[in-house]
Amino acid sequence: EAGVAQSPRYKIIEKRQSVAFWCNPISGHATLYWYQQILGQGPKLLIQFQNNGVVDDSQLPKDRFSAERLKGVDSTLKIQPAKLEDSAVYLCASSPAVSTDTQYFGPGTRLTVL
Amino acid sequence: SQQGEEDPQALSIQEGENATMNCSYKTSINNLQWYRQNSGRGLVHLILIRSNEREKHSGRLRVTLDTSKKSSSLLITASRAADTASYFCQGSGTYKYIFGTGTRLKVLA
Repeated sequence: EAGVAQSPRYKIIEKRQSVAFWCNPISGHATLYWYQQILGQGPKLLIQFQNNGVVDDSQLPKDRFSAERLKGVDSTLKIQPAKLEDSAVYLCASSPAVSTDTQYFGPGTRLTVL
Repeated sequence: SQQGEEDPQALSIQEGENATMNCSYKTSINNLQWYRQNSGRGLVHLILIRSNEREKHSGRLRVTLDTSKKSSSLLITASRAADTASYFCQGSGTYKYIFGTGTRLKVLA
């Protein structure tokens, strides 16, 4: 079974630029999550999708972050414009259903904002 | 912040010894899970314990949960160098998934 795929693995941008991350969850997984992990901290949930609908985006900074999951499969997370404090690893995870708490994580995208 | 906390933040032990790490959380949960994260990698699920369970075993892992104290512990027995990683607890309530700050475990060969 293929795992959660993410790209790119690394990205370096200047502040005020925009950036997009892509995630392809495990086939058949209805729920998809985006987390932000700042160095030395635990992951923080940004947004959770159930199929193509948003379940929870309470911690997503909506003035600069956006995410979509068209067709209920893969997803993109965008930051526009980026700030220095957005430097972090962005993790995508998926699970079979909301009621199944075990999440399967991708390798993450390490973003550096200069 | 609703983030939980692991204790200790860092732990260094010799191969073969046991490693114990603790997690405290702030909100009510349905389940609590432990994940491992190797440097530069994503998280790997280790074990899930439900709120009505007190103890669970999986291989060399033993997890306890005390909902009255809002705390959990993870015991890794007979540690190996390959266990070197960061360990995170994650509490989940209705549509909320909150990770702790992590324990960095180093197992010396």
